[in-house]
Amino acid sequence: AQSVAQPEDQVNVAEGNPLTVKCTYSVSGNPYLFWYVQYPNRGLQFLLKYITGDNLVKGSYGFEAEFNKSQTSFHLKKPSALVSDSALYFCAVSLTSGTYKYIFGTGTRLKVLA
Amino acid sequence: NAGVTQTPKFQVLKTGQSMTLQCAQDMNHNSMYWYRQDPGMGLRLIYYSASEGTTDKGEVPNGYNVSRLNKREFSLRLESAAPSQTSVYFCASSNHYRERGNQPQHFGDGTRLSIL
Repeated sequence: AQSVAQPEDQVNVAEGNPLTVKCTYSVSGNPYLFWYVQYPNRGLQFLLKYITGDNLVKGSYGFEAEFNKSQTSFHLKKPSALVSDSALYFCAVSLTSGTYKYIFGTGTRLKVLA
Repeated sequence: NAGVTQTPKFQVLKTGQSMTLQCAQDMNHNSMYWYRQDPGMGLRLIYYSASEGTTDKGEVPNGYNVSRLNKREFSLRLESAAPSQTSVYFCASSNHYRERGNQPQHFGDGTRLSIL
């Protein structure tokens, strides 16, 4: 069965420090991978995606993610965290063919401390 | 550019009542989705419509029905509401291309539904 795991319910980081939000996936084919951010009382907003090509993907607001096929991971990173980055982050996966469905992780709450 | 619009934003129902959640997108997307979001469980797919005229069950379809009214609109109906259906409901839309694959989803801001 396809699945996405976000092993940390919450990540705390000091402002200005680098941040990492972890995501691992399990699919039977080649995946498309996505990161979304959710602010309070809002819907999910797209941050970045991996389709093919370079393993390091750059997205909105200075975020980037590294695709690692051997470890089936797609961790979200940012070199220097801002207090305004505090939000709920979701990893999602979709197969490259045969489905229109996306599978979401359970979310990781990021708190950036001033 | 409105994107994905959901109505209503909030609703309180009594057990056994029915209601329809409305969703409309103005991005000419082919596919539309209904999710529910519950604490600690992420987003769970209720129903989706890959294209106009088709609908399919997702992970948690029991107690819900959907209608893809046209390319823009996709509604979710609770026929007899139960307390277990208290949740935040999100509608999303996206496109899919044979060469470029599944594109990112665009989400509405949700409907917060409480069932007493």
